[in-house]
Amino acid sequence: AQKITQTQPGMFVQEKEAVTLDCTYDTSDPSYGLFWYKQPSSGEMIFLIYQGSYDQQNATEGRYSLNFQKARKSANLVISASQLGDSAMYFCAMREAWRNQGGKLIFGQGTELSVKP
Amino acid sequence: ETGVTQTPRHLVMGMTNKKSLKCEQHLGHNAMYWYKQSAKKPLELMFVYSLEERVENNSVPSRFSPECPNSSHLFLHLHTLQPEDSALYLCASSQEVGSGEGGYTFGSGTRLTVV
Repeated sequence: AQKITQTQPGMFVQEKEAVTLDCTYDTSDPSYGLFWYKQPSSGEMIFLIYQGSYDQQNATEGRYSLNFQKARKSANLVISASQLGDSAMYFCAMREAWRNQGGKLIFGQGTELSVKP
Repeated sequence: ETGVTQTPRHLVMGMTNKKSLKCEQHLGHNAMYWYKQSAKKPLELMFVYSLEERVENNSVPSRFSPECPNSSHLFLHLHTLQPEDSALYLCASSQEVGSGEGGYTFGSGTRLTVV
């Protein structure tokens, strides 16, 4: 069964506007972590933001924020004030507890974001 | 400059060749990973090493052979590959396998083309 689902293969956003990238996940483990990574054309996976399953507040890192809706099992990434350099692939990932998945990081299919000038 | 360095960045090899991918980290991490990223597919975890011991092998064909001589270095030895093995191979490290909040630090990857 798919653990991480990103339903948007590609997204376009105008420069300086905000964009939301969707991510839903599936787990029965009460303890897990959710991550977003950015992958530019160079190939490197760049860590953006983390949300723990027990965190009460949504995570924020600069222009990135994570809209965590636990009951809906969604962890959408919001990028504010988009910049041309934000054009890249974005991956949502989940890490369950060691006893369930060995603490492995499991990735979604990715969303390709293109920022228009 | 990433904390995880992968070499080479690009590799073209024939199906009868033998080559090796190298990954190096000096972050003091105890766990290292190999992922395969094919076009239009999610990243696939291939191998997991913790303190130089392999803790997971996700049904990877034997033509891929990992080696972890110490906690800072990880190799992926390749032999008699198939064209469908062409992909981006990413190395990552983390503080521990299965530790709580920490994510992974990734290298820039080796883009492999099998001809």
